[in-house]
Amino acid sequence: GEDVEQSLFLSVREGDSSVINCTYTDSSSTYLYWYKQEPGAGLQLLTYIFSNMDMKQDQRLTVLLNKKDKHLSLRIADTQTGDSAIYFCAERNQAGTALIFGKGTTLSVSS
Amino acid sequence: GAGVSQTPSNKVTEKGKYVELRCDPISGHTALYWYRQSLGQGPEFLIYFQGTGAADDSGLPNDRFFAVRPEGSVSTLKIQRTERGDSAVYLCASSPSGALNEQYFGPGTRLTVT
Repeated sequence: GEDVEQSLFLSVREGDSSVINCTYTDSSSTYLYWYKQEPGAGLQLLTYIFSNMDMKQDQRLTVLLNKKDKHLSLRIADTQTGDSAIYFCAERNQAGTALIFGKGTTLSVSS
Repeated sequence: GAGVSQTPSNKVTEKGKYVELRCDPISGHTALYWYRQSLGQGPEFLIYFQGTGAADDSGLPNDRFFAVRPEGSVSTLKIQRTERGDSAVYLCASSPSGALNEQYFGPGTRLTVT
């Protein structure tokens, strides 16, 4: 079945780069997603990558996809205290009707 | 424009009671999704509507859970005979025409069953 795994915690200093990693199981996944969840706020789509791409860059965010290893990463450059949140990796379910989320990585940014 | 709204924001109920959770999607979005997020977990899919019909209800955990979307806009998630294990944040999302790349989430309803 489909499954998404993430490391649970990451702590960085302000100004450093953060790298959040994710592994997924469904090799037929066409799209992979990164969401951000801040306390008291709804889930916010940060970015997504199509499976025929290896990399996607969007301002401070870089997504790397290794299809062979089923590994996805999100790099945040120049991390700020406002980036402190929970980050979820997600893939489509096989039916293409919904998302399957990992447990989330809590990013803590210290000044 | 207005985003996805959910009411109530918090609901406390006693074990065995019936609850209804409401979702107002973004105007014009034909697809609507319900997810459940337990503490320390990622959101877990419950049901997907395309228009008025449930296109995929494979995530509903048992027959105590039911959802409707009678006019293709507002949706209600109904939980009968609530159990303490139903305590979670219930998230609603909508998207235009079912595109998962454009799924917008509401703030959620925190359900606590005592």
